[in-house]
Amino acid sequence: EVQLVQSGAEVKKPGESLKISCRVSGYVFTTSWIGWVRQIPGKGLEWMGSIYPGDSDTRYSPSFQGQVTISADKSISTAYLQWSSLKASDTAMYYCARLWFSSGWTLFDYWGQGTLVTVSS
Amino acid sequence: QSVLTQPPSASGTPGQRVTISCSGSRSSIGSNTLNWYQQLPGTAPKLLIHSDNQRPSGVPDRFSGSKSGTSASLAISGLQSEDEADYYCASWDDSLNGPIFGGGTKLTVL
Repeated sequence: EVQLVQSGAEVKKPGESLKISCRVSGYVFTTSWIGWVRQIPGKGLEWMGSIYPGDSDTRYSPSFQGQVTISADKSISTAYLQWSSLKASDTAMYYCARLWFSSGWTLFDYWGQGTLVTVSS
Repeated sequence: QSVLTQPPSASGTPGQRVTISCSGSRSSIGSNTLNWYQQLPGTAPKLLIHSDNQRPSGVPDRFSGSKSGTSASLAISGLQSEDEADYYCASWDDSLNGPIFGGGTKLTVL
């Protein structure tokens, strides 16, 4: 059974750093992309970026380029999303999801349960 | 700002048929397949329809998808109270070179 299990909720102050995780099981971690999706409370879904753990190829949405860093550790089948200096506007639910895409076709098929990040002074 | 456009809300009574629209562009829906996700309150999104009109295993056949040109629709027949959720369309965008989502439609079962 494919599972993506995310780290727990975080409460941080502006300016602090943070790294949240997404541990996968039930399939070979290095054979598909993992995407990160932001959902601000009461709002819609936004793709932030994706990583292919097989070769660490990483793509970012222009809206998030330079704002976050996506990485992966193949040895423990875990993907990460990190911030070096959080802002109040980073308060949101963050989801990881398995992502497939090829010419003309894309799909997020399995999702993590979400990690709520709250940034407040 | 979402590049796929959905109505913010939709509603229906139990047993009714409801449709939710999703409008995009040539670089998104016009060139790529379309997926639908259901997000029940307080939960993660769940894949409902993929590749325009394919249901994953376990999704009731009350849910169906269609696409024509740069627009798509999700239809829910025999509406049930448990269908009350947010629904998102999603596709690939060739200009962004990444996946995009619609703004979401909140479905209320009256």
